[in-house]
Amino acid sequence: AQSVTQLGSHVSVSEGALVLLRCNYSSSVPPYLFWYVQYPNQGLQLLLKYTSAATLVKGINGFEAEFKKSETSFHLTKPSAHMSDAAEYFCAVSDGNAGNMLTFGGGTRLMVKP
Amino acid sequence: ETGVTQTPRHLVMGMTNKKSLKCEQHLGHNAMYWYKQSAKKPLELMFVYNFKEQTENNSVPSRFSPECPNSSHLFLHLHTLQPEDSALYLCASSQGVAGNEQFFGPGTRLTVL
Repeated sequence: AQSVTQLGSHVSVSEGALVLLRCNYSSSVPPYLFWYVQYPNQGLQLLLKYTSAATLVKGINGFEAEFKKSETSFHLTKPSAHMSDAAEYFCAVSDGNAGNMLTFGGGTRLMVKP
Repeated sequence: ETGVTQTPRHLVMGMTNKKSLKCEQHLGHNAMYWYKQSAKKPLELMFVYNFKEQTENNSVPSRFSPECPNSSHLFLHLHTLQPEDSALYLCASSQGVAGNEQFFGPGTRLTVL
């Protein structure tokens, strides 16, 4: 069975500060990992994904994430937060199952202070 | 229309009503999914359809009944719901192949009175 833990249901940063959202996973096989963002009253939008190519993955809106197998982590970072980054962020894992099912973490709400 | 669309965007229903949620994907995908998102729980996968065949039912109560008439359309039929069923219902689609991302619709905000 696979699972995802996102440490910190709420994270607050100042505009211009580093954003770090944590994600740890468990999977019995090499995983596929995803970060999604959800703005209010909208569905989820893919930020980036890891599919066993480069361990450092760059996504949209200046976000990136690094896959660390030894730490079973896939933390999301952005060097400088912008007000428009305020949203909820979800980490998800797939073990390559038929049907491409994802298991999501509980989400982290990012707040950006002016 | 592009991507994944869902109708209606908002729905208020009584516990004795019957209603349906509709999802349509314009991406040529072969897998479609229903999720429930409520305030106090993580995203819950409800149903998975792969090439129109249901491949996953995540112990969902029978008052939720999915239907997938073709690879582009997915319905969720609702009857005799409970107030705790109030949530955002999200539809997604993907190629159904490992490693491919799922594309999400905007969701239907359901309120059960």
